[in-house]
Amino acid sequence: DAMVIQNPRYQVTQFGKPVTLSCSQTLNHNVMYWYQQKSSQAPKLLFHYYDKDFNNEADTPDNFQSRRPNTSFCFLDIRSPGLGDAAMYLCATSRGGQTAEAFFGQGTRLTVV
Amino acid sequence: GENVEQHPSTLSVQEGDSAVIKCTYSDSASNYFPWYKQELGKRPQLIIDIRSNVGEKKDQRIAVTLNKTAKHFSLHITETQPEDSAVYFCAASRNTGFQKLVFGTGTRLLVSP
Repeated sequence: DAMVIQNPRYQVTQFGKPVTLSCSQTLNHNVMYWYQQKSSQAPKLLFHYYDKDFNNEADTPDNFQSRRPNTSFCFLDIRSPGLGDAAMYLCATSRGGQTAEAFFGQGTRLTVV
Repeated sequence: GENVEQHPSTLSVQEGDSAVIKCTYSDSASNYFPWYKQELGKRPQLIIDIRSNVGEKKDQRIAVTLNKTAKHFSLHITETQPEDSAVYFCAASRNTGFQKLVFGTGTRLLVSP
């Protein structure tokens, strides 16, 4: 009954080698978010899509991009991963408007070697 | 932008004791304050939330209080159990059509039997 599904759960990539993380949702929510969570830290918003509208946080590095080909799927592309990009990447969804709750996926733990 | 501070960073209690976690926020326009529980290796899950037009909300052993004037809110867990052990994150958000959650730094709660 998973509602926000992230694949893979664990990803190992080489320094500088592009990597893509995926997220899908069965909730039909308008909004999809990508958060970065480094060890023992709080999740930090990278960007979000409201339907097809992409919104980047001001301090999100250019190295991070996202695609949302349809309502259900959203991808996080890291063009040239550095050692500092090793983290848990959390996808979340919510309905637009006044609805409150954000639903998180299990996350993808990215290791850069 | 919004800044959320959370204290304490770690909290150890005996089973049956109460636990209190406190957060302060900076943006007076924030109007939604959720609390998430994150067990090791798992997704953050919403446990309780409060909106700015309410001063207190309770759900069984969990309660949240909000002081808008002082810009702080607190999580209260009574009759703690070992399964309450986890990292707890507070967050603040303006509801502008989507939930841009700014998280606190987290509190690691350990409940000893």
